Amino acid sequence: AQKITQTQPGMFVQEKEAVTLDCTYDTSDQSYGLFWYKQPSSGEMIFLIYQGSYDEQNATEGRYSLNFQKARKSANLVISASQLGDSAMYFCAMSDRGTSYDKVIFGPGTSLSVIP
Amino acid sequence: DTAVSQTPKYLVTQMGNDKSIKCEQNLGHDTMYWYKQDSKKFLKIMFSYNNKELIINETVPNRFSPKSPDKAHLNLHINSLELGDSAVYFCASSHPATGPEAFFGQGTRLTVV
Repeated sequence: AQKITQTQPGMFVQEKEAVTLDCTYDTSDQSYGLFWYKQPSSGEMIFLIYQGSYDEQNATEGRYSLNFQKARKSANLVISASQLGDSAMYFCAMSDRGTSYDKVIFGPGTSLSVIP
Repeated sequence: DTAVSQTPKYLVTQMGNDKSIKCEQNLGHDTMYWYKQDSKKFLKIMFSYNNKELIINETVPNRFSPKSPDKAHLNLHINSLELGDSAVYFCASSHPATGPEAFFGQGTRLTVV
């Protein structure tokens, strides 16, 4: 069965510093997709970044990058130059076959606090 | 113009009541979903519809019944509400043309008293 693990329930980072949020996954599928979503205190779910299992390059979106290590089954999110607005819950998620319209499993989340 | 909108945003109701949450998306997406987020922030898929057809139905009590009158709408009806149904319910939608990710509504916080 597929499973997502986020071992850091809470993280702190100084403003303007970089931070890595850990995500490991377990699947027997060859084709899958990995997502990161952000949930600020206002409650909405915001898509950040996606990595397909066959993508050779690590995904990047602005200040977000996904450190994909397939052999280790890890998909860590790196946020560069943290801002106060980055304080939120961050969820790692995985879908079989790589898209949202397949079943998506979410991890338990990591709460990130950015300190001025 | 909100892409995925849910109503109501907050819902407080007594045990045993029946309630509905409505969801509409104006993105032209084929696939819509309902997710439940519990008090520990754990997010789990409940249902998925593609072109009005149910494609994912997780282990959810049959008191929960999704209804999709058309591609743009996916409503969630809950019968005989229980205390444990208190959670935030998210509607979402997606389409291959707009990318692999789902677009979420703002959530409906359901409190059963």
